[in-house]
Amino acid sequence: EPEVTQTPSHQVTQMGQEVILRCVPISNHLYFYWYRQILGQKVEFLVSFYNNEISEKSEIFDDQFSVERPDGSNFTLKIRSTKLEDSAMYFCASSISGGTTDTQYFGPGTRLTVL
Amino acid sequence: AQSVTQLDSQVPVFEEAPVELRCNYSSSVSVYLFWYVQYPNQGLQLLLKYLSGSTLVKGINGFEAEFNKSQTSFHLRKPSVHISDTAEYFCAVTSVDRTGKLIFGQGTTLQVKP
Repeated sequence: EPEVTQTPSHQVTQMGQEVILRCVPISNHLYFYWYRQILGQKVEFLVSFYNNEISEKSEIFDDQFSVERPDGSNFTLKIRSTKLEDSAMYFCASSISGGTTDTQYFGPGTRLTVL
Repeated sequence: AQSVTQLDSQVPVFEEAPVELRCNYSSSVSVYLFWYVQYPNQGLQLLLKYLSGSTLVKGINGFEAEFNKSQTSFHLRKPSVHISDTAEYFCAVTSVDRTGKLIFGQGTTLQVKP
């Protein structure tokens, strides 16, 4: 069964450094998402992406964040200058279309630790 | 804006016992409702979803949920749990008229004991 994959599973970085989290969505899916979960808190929506453009973003997704689909398979989340409060589990998801009834398929997550 | 509250952070239960995981939501617009499960070291997997029609929704692994509009609830139930059901369960909503952005609850850890 096709699945969303994410690399790395765990990333440790120093405050102020740039990190890139990588995701490979399911191959025929067209909509892509990033969510994050700070330890002990809710899973929060960050951004949705379709046709090489951001469809929607949350207040969390400020200028420090960017997303890109650099090729036909990868979908990346870049944090330009990490802060301590960026430490969280980051989940990538994809769906066939962006409809609200569509099932989003999630990857296993990347745990980001900012020191 | 929407919000989701999962009333129990942890639910311990013995194997073969019934279980209910509670979820309440708040929204000024119509929503669709979802339950996701996360097994250790895996991604979130859809258990079931309510879009319209019958308020009782059946999902995978013997789970079901009932949508109650008057009580703004979407509780998840299983009549007899197995050790393998031990996982984190997330309730989520999305607006009917918006993009697929999911709003999640805090999650409930189901601990099934032998």
